[in-house]
Amino acid sequence: DVKVTQSSRYLVKRTGEKVFLECVQDMDHENMFWYRQDPGLGLRLIYFSYDVKMKEKGDIPEGYSVSREKKERFSLILESASTNQTSMYLCASSLTDRDRPAEQYFGPGTRLTVT
Amino acid sequence: DAKTTQPPSMDCAEGRAANLPCNHSTISGNEYVYWYRQIHSQGPQYIIHGLKNNETNEMASLIITEDRKSSTLILPHATLRDTAVYYCIVRVVSNQGGKLIFGQGTELSVKP
Repeated sequence: DVKVTQSSRYLVKRTGEKVFLECVQDMDHENMFWYRQDPGLGLRLIYFSYDVKMKEKGDIPEGYSVSREKKERFSLILESASTNQTSMYLCASSLTDRDRPAEQYFGPGTRLTVT
Repeated sequence: DAKTTQPPSMDCAEGRAANLPCNHSTISGNEYVYWYRQIHSQGPQYIIHGLKNNETNEMASLIITEDRKSSTLILPHATLRDTAVYYCIVRVVSNQGGKLIFGQGTELSVKP
């Protein structure tokens, strides 16, 4: 089974802190994604990566950066955490699309609270 | 914006079939229909997908209308563990990632 793990289930940080959220997948997937989920807004894509060292902005990249130095690991960085970044953060991975879109496999999520 | 519309909530009795509708009237010929679900406090889980034909796997069946403007996800014998938010998504093949655009989904409550 595909396994996507995230470094923490719950995290509490202070405003202005630099925050690292780590995601690791064990199925040699090319693509990795970071979403955030908020009540009433659903899941929104922050960044994605389709190869090592490659990254693409999603719909809401402001205030975030990412790093993909190794194929299995995709990190989301909040340079200076703010209270409006309090959210559930979900990582996902997938193979490259071939004859059809590839399904994405999600991690359990990290609930981040910024105080 | 999501290209699909779903009812916000549905109830189903345990052991009965749950039929979850999805409207995707603007779907393009090369767009697939994907279904995911999200159980409370967990990440979304892939269920099934289809292009034109009806599909079945160990989790569910997917019925797509001939004009492809709508589809129905069927859970044949719903259990309490099927209580979740179900998302219907359309997507094309992409050579760079291929993001999922989640709508609000349908909150399915399976009741004893």
